[in-house]
Amino acid sequence: AQKITQTQPGMFVQEKEAVTLDCTYDTSDQSYGLFWYKQPSSGEMIFLIYQGSYDEQNATEGRYSLNFQKARKSANLVISASQLGDSAMYFCAMRENGRGSYIPTFGRGTSLIVHP
Amino acid sequence: NAGVTQTPKFQVLKTGQSMTLQCAQDMNHNSMYWYRQDPGMGLRLIYYSASEGTTDKGEVPNGYNVSRLNKREFSLRLESAAPSQTSVYFCASSGHLGTGGPGELFFGEGSRLTVL
Repeated sequence: AQKITQTQPGMFVQEKEAVTLDCTYDTSDQSYGLFWYKQPSSGEMIFLIYQGSYDEQNATEGRYSLNFQKARKSANLVISASQLGDSAMYFCAMRENGRGSYIPTFGRGTSLIVHP
Repeated sequence: NAGVTQTPKFQVLKTGQSMTLQCAQDMNHNSMYWYRQDPGMGLRLIYYSASEGTTDKGEVPNGYNVSRLNKREFSLRLESAAPSQTSVYFCASSGHLGTGGPGELFFGEGSRLTVL
């Protein structure tokens, strides 16, 4: 079974609107971390935002926020006021801390296209 | 600061040829990783090294070997390349938890490998 599920292969959004990219995860660990990365067409991987399993507040970084619903095991990325430069692949990842190896596991990604 | 540097950026091989992808990081990170990225599959872990002197298999290790040469360098070797190994390869590193950050991955720019 996949540990990270991103159900939206592709998303479209109008410039200046908000968009939510879905991510659900599966773990039995109590301690884990959730990450979002952006991959523009140039190919590099860029870290966006992090949420720890014990963090009570949703993480925010500028226009990015993470809608963390622990009981539902979801960690959706919200991008507010979309810009053309937000067009990219977005990957959700989880690191389980209970096993000592702290290996991040990635979802299959969501392609976001921002229309002018 | 160079971060994570991997070489070569592009390589074309014939089936059966061997090659080594080199990776070096200058952030004094303990953990290093090799992922492969294929369309629709996200990033899959090939091998990782939690610390200098240790290496372990990831999700898709078959056909690959690794060497953690020292704390800075982690190389990936294809002994007998196959067309199924055509992919984009990413090296990444991360610090230990508790070092002041969330332990996000820092990626190299990627290496595009084509096996004919």
